[in-house]
Amino acid sequence: AQSVTQLDSHVSVSEGTPVLLRCNYSSSYSPSLFWYVQHPNKGLQLLLKYTSAATLVKGINGFEAEFKKSETSFHLTKPSAHMSDAAEYFCVVSDPGRGSTLGRLYFGRGTQLTVWP
Amino acid sequence: SAVISQKPSRDICQRGTSLTIQCQVDSQVTMMFWYRQQPGQSLTLIATANQGSEATYESGFVIDKFPISRPNLTFSTLTVSNMSPEDSSIYLCSVVASEKLFFGSGTQLSVL
Repeated sequence: AQSVTQLDSHVSVSEGTPVLLRCNYSSSYSPSLFWYVQHPNKGLQLLLKYTSAATLVKGINGFEAEFKKSETSFHLTKPSAHMSDAAEYFCVVSDPGRGSTLGRLYFGRGTQLTVWP
Repeated sequence: SAVISQKPSRDICQRGTSLTIQCQVDSQVTMMFWYRQQPGQSLTLIATANQGSEATYESGFVIDKFPISRPNLTFSTLTVSNMSPEDSSIYLCSVVASEKLFFGSGTQLSVL
């Protein structure tokens, strides 16, 4: 069955240090993978997406993620955390299935990122 | 936590008709969001629906096309009106509960 696992519910880093938010997925076909950020009382904002092009995807605000099919992972990274990065992050898989352009969305449970000054 | 029941899970509709999507939450929540994901695209916020006030629509979305009801703190509907094939998408509701975001299972809509 398809699933998305965000391995850490909470991650705390100091400002200026690297960020790693982990995501593993299972999918039967060729999925599209997304990372979204949610700030308090706001809707989801797309950080980046992978849709079978380059495996290293660069997003907004200095974030990037690498699609590793052999490890079924799509971890989100940033070289240097900023206080404004403190938010909830969601890994999402869109799995169209065979012969379909629409598919279900599968959400990770979210990772709360705290950035200390 | 919050558990969201979203219905229908999928539907195939004729152009010109309307479909109403329901989201039922197992707890009272103030904020509810409605999203759309078109094929090959990312999630796009349609509107924010807070109980007791009119829904707030994002740029490019209007109430006549996507009327939303929010009669109480546990329920909301989104109607896709006068559908065309361009409305074929996944529609998703989400809520904020205990400062965390929870998601419905989505509605896969195909318009012929």
